[in-house]
Amino acid sequence: NAGVTQTPKFRILKIGQSMTLQCAQDMNHNYMYWYRQDPGMGLKLIYYSVGAGITDKGEVPNGYNVSRSTTEDFPLRLELAAPSQTSVYFCASSAPGTFSGNTIYFGEGSWLTVV
Amino acid sequence: AQSVSQHNHHVILSEAASLELGCNYSYGGTVNLFWYVQYPGQHLQLLLKYFSGDPLVKGIKGFEAEFIKSKFSFNLRKPSVQWSDTAEYFCAVRPGGSQGNLIFGKGTKLSVKP
Repeated sequence: NAGVTQTPKFRILKIGQSMTLQCAQDMNHNYMYWYRQDPGMGLKLIYYSVGAGITDKGEVPNGYNVSRSTTEDFPLRLELAAPSQTSVYFCASSAPGTFSGNTIYFGEGSWLTVV
Repeated sequence: AQSVSQHNHHVILSEAASLELGCNYSYGGTVNLFWYVQYPGQHLQLLLKYFSGDPLVKGIKGFEAEFIKSKFSFNLRKPSVQWSDTAEYFCAVRPGGSQGNLIFGKGTKLSVKP
């Protein structure tokens, strides 16, 4: 059981370049999330999705885009990379249901540096 | 705005010492509460969670946390730490107790000296 899989694990981008962080989960979870983790700061939610075809902005969505064409995949796109986007990115997923013990499962993280 | 406060940025302990990491949140309604741990170079893993019922929650690796509603707190404890507990610990709150956004604290780095 692979859980939540993120790629790439490390990437260096030049300012203005674009890239996509891939995220896939094999647990048939409806809910998926993208967080960023900056040094000395808590995790901040970028975007989330409650199901295929539905996405919503989180706390820090500017500079990012997402899509959710399938239940399994939730890619995060950076269109014009900026140094402020240097961070560690975590994808996560969870099952629906308020009382189902819906733990959120995290991927291993993607370290992105914009220079 | 809803927020989660972790009082200590970095805690240094010797092996066998007792641990308590503070976590307070600002939301007056129903909440789901979590503690996650991130070992060096690894992803976030769930330590324990509270949804309802007994406010003293037991987690993995000997950790426990107590939900005190009147104090809006969910402190993490362990009676005797080990070197392998060296990691960063994140408290997280889901306001409303429903599926949706988690709000994370800034994290507390724990260093355990052998």
